Amino acid sequence: AQSVTQLDSQVPVFEEAPVELRCNYSSSVSVYLFWYVQYPNQGLQLLLKYLSGSTLVESINGFEAEFNKSQTSFHLRKPSVHISDTAEYFCAVTRGTGGGNKLTFGTGTQLKVEL
Amino acid sequence: GAVVSQHPSRVICKSGTSVKIECRSLDFQATTMFWYRQFPKKSLMLMATSNEGSKATYEQGVEKDKFLINHASLTLSTLTVTSAHPEDSSFYICSASYSQGSYNEQFFGPGTRLTVL
Repeated sequence: AQSVTQLDSQVPVFEEAPVELRCNYSSSVSVYLFWYVQYPNQGLQLLLKYLSGSTLVESINGFEAEFNKSQTSFHLRKPSVHISDTAEYFCAVTRGTGGGNKLTFGTGTQLKVEL
Repeated sequence: GAVVSQHPSRVICKSGTSVKIECRSLDFQATTMFWYRQFPKKSLMLMATSNEGSKATYEQGVEKDKFLINHASLTLSTLTVTSAHPEDSSFYICSASYSQGSYNEQFFGPGTRLTVL
């Protein structure tokens, strides 16, 4: 089985500052990795994903994440955050093959961007 | 594209009544739909996976007689919370996917907030 750990439940940061949201996973097989964002009282939106290929993946709104197999991590970063980035961020993992595409989620990190 | 809707967005019911939540894929045919439950300040917990025309597969610890799932068509799945009690109050989110190659991305609905009085 897979598991995901998001150590930081809440990350406060000032606008225009850089941020890193940490995600570590555990799995005995190859995995696909995802970051989702959830705004209050809404469903999840896919931010970015790693399936294969380049270990650095980027989103259209400036976020990026790097798959590090040796450290079993998939940390999310943004060099300069905006107020509108305030939301809950979930890291998720699924088996690369044969997993039925079931997602296992971390407990989430609340990113709070302040002026 | 790949839009998923849920109805209702919010429902309040009395203890002992049943509540039905609909999940629809609006612009694609969903071969698989998933139902999740999210507690406050908690992650999403997968409740069940349903394939069109088949019985749902429930995760361990989820009562199948309590949470009835029907996936009658390629665009609609329903979750019925039977004899609801206050502890069933939660945010329920569905997702839908279709065959896309190596990985079938899940597209999430906006969620349904259930409050049982």
